[in-house]
Amino acid sequence: GDSVTQMEGPVTLSEEACLTINCTYTATGYPSLFWYVQYPGEGLQLLLKATKADDKGSNKGFEATYRKETTSFHLEKGSVQVSDSAVYFCALSEGRSGGYQKVTFGTGTKLQVIP
Amino acid sequence: GAGVSQTPSNKVTEKGKYVELRCDPISGHTALYWYRQSLGQGPEFLIYFQGTGAADDSGLPNDRFFAVRPEGSVSTLKIQRTERGDSAVYLCASSASPQETQYFGPGTRLLVL
Repeated sequence: GDSVTQMEGPVTLSEEACLTINCTYTATGYPSLFWYVQYPGEGLQLLLKATKADDKGSNKGFEATYRKETTSFHLEKGSVQVSDSAVYFCALSEGRSGGYQKVTFGTGTKLQVIP
Repeated sequence: GAGVSQTPSNKVTEKGKYVELRCDPISGHTALYWYRQSLGQGPEFLIYFQGTGAADDSGLPNDRFFAVRPEGSVSTLKIQRTERGDSAVYLCASSASPQETQYFGPGTRLLVL
């Protein structure tokens, strides 16, 4: 079945450092890929997505490129801020019979940015 | 506009009791999903509704779990004879159509003592 593997945390960085959170996936077909973010005390929010190979999703300075050849979707940001401290979830969705998207999540990576 | 809302935000119950968790999806969203997030894990799919019907309930762990969506909007997740292992955050999501992005509610944190 489908699965998502992401690097374990916590990741601690100083403000303005570069961030990379690795994510690889296993899927039977051609999934859409997502990064969701969960800020302390808040619900899951969609950060960015990519729906086909070589697409780049971007939002709030974060980027991730859909790499089919390496089955990866690594999250990157050039300069993190304290406000980026959160848990980041990599996820994929594949169409199911009936046309709906079943989302499979990774276990999450906690990012802590210190001033 | 208003996002997905869930009530209660926290629920504490005793082992063996019955609980109901409510989800109000974004207005007009036809697809509704329930997920369960255990501590330190990512959300795991429980059930998907298209309109009033449960199109996929393959993620429900056992027959103590049941969900309804009688009018195609609000949904209730029902757990009978709760067990300590049911303690988790229960998330609801909705999407405008089955193929579109899912938007999540803040979750209900369930603690079974």
